[in-house]
Amino acid sequence: QKEVEQDPGPLSVPEGAIVSLNCTYSNSAFQYFMWYRQYSRKGPELLMYTYSSGNKEDGRFTAQVDKSSKYISLFIRDSQPSDSATYLCAMSAGAGSYQLTFGKGTKLSVIP
Amino acid sequence: DTAVSQTPKYLVTQMGNDKSIKCEQNLGHDTMYWYKQDSKKFLKIMFSYNNKELIINETVPNRFSPKSPDKAHLNLHINSLELGDSAVYFCASSQARAWSYEQYFGPGTRLTVT
Repeated sequence: QKEVEQDPGPLSVPEGAIVSLNCTYSNSAFQYFMWYRQYSRKGPELLMYTYSSGNKEDGRFTAQVDKSSKYISLFIRDSQPSDSATYLCAMSAGAGSYQLTFGKGTKLSVIP
Repeated sequence: DTAVSQTPKYLVTQMGNDKSIKCEQNLGHDTMYWYKQDSKKFLKIMFSYNNKELIINETVPNRFSPKSPDKAHLNLHINSLELGDSAVYFCASSQARAWSYEQYFGPGTRLTVT
């Protein structure tokens, strides 16, 4: 079993839809959870960052972490064509660990 | 005012050649990384330096050699390039803090070995 599993998609939704992106993980030491967005031929950019379990909201984006289920989600409300990108989840155990473990990314297309 | 920059952006070269990729960050971070992203978009850590000291050295052929002349720069030299080295190489940086582990990425260097 890979440390971080993420459905690669592709996922295609109409403009205005609510998008749900998910990752599961096996390493219970992970405490820091991130979502990166990567546009085609660009570097990943940090979108959301959460620590431990709970929700975090930033505009149209909400990140959820459920450590008991080892499951994290990113919700995008009122999706826009500009949200079309690959979304990668990433995790770290923290406590001096510099290493991020990434999911394989989910490719999202928002159709106008 | 680019945060993490890489040169060159594109690199096309023949098998057997030696090439270097350079990375610079102006974020004042103390940790820098090299990642390889294959054709399936999977990001895999290769190396990391903290304050010029190598702290992550994943299973990477020893044809790849990182060098950090100072905290703001991390270069990657590749000897005897092979077809399988074709990929996008990303540099990233972070500031090691107890509560923060997010990394900031450069635009990538697309390496094609023919």
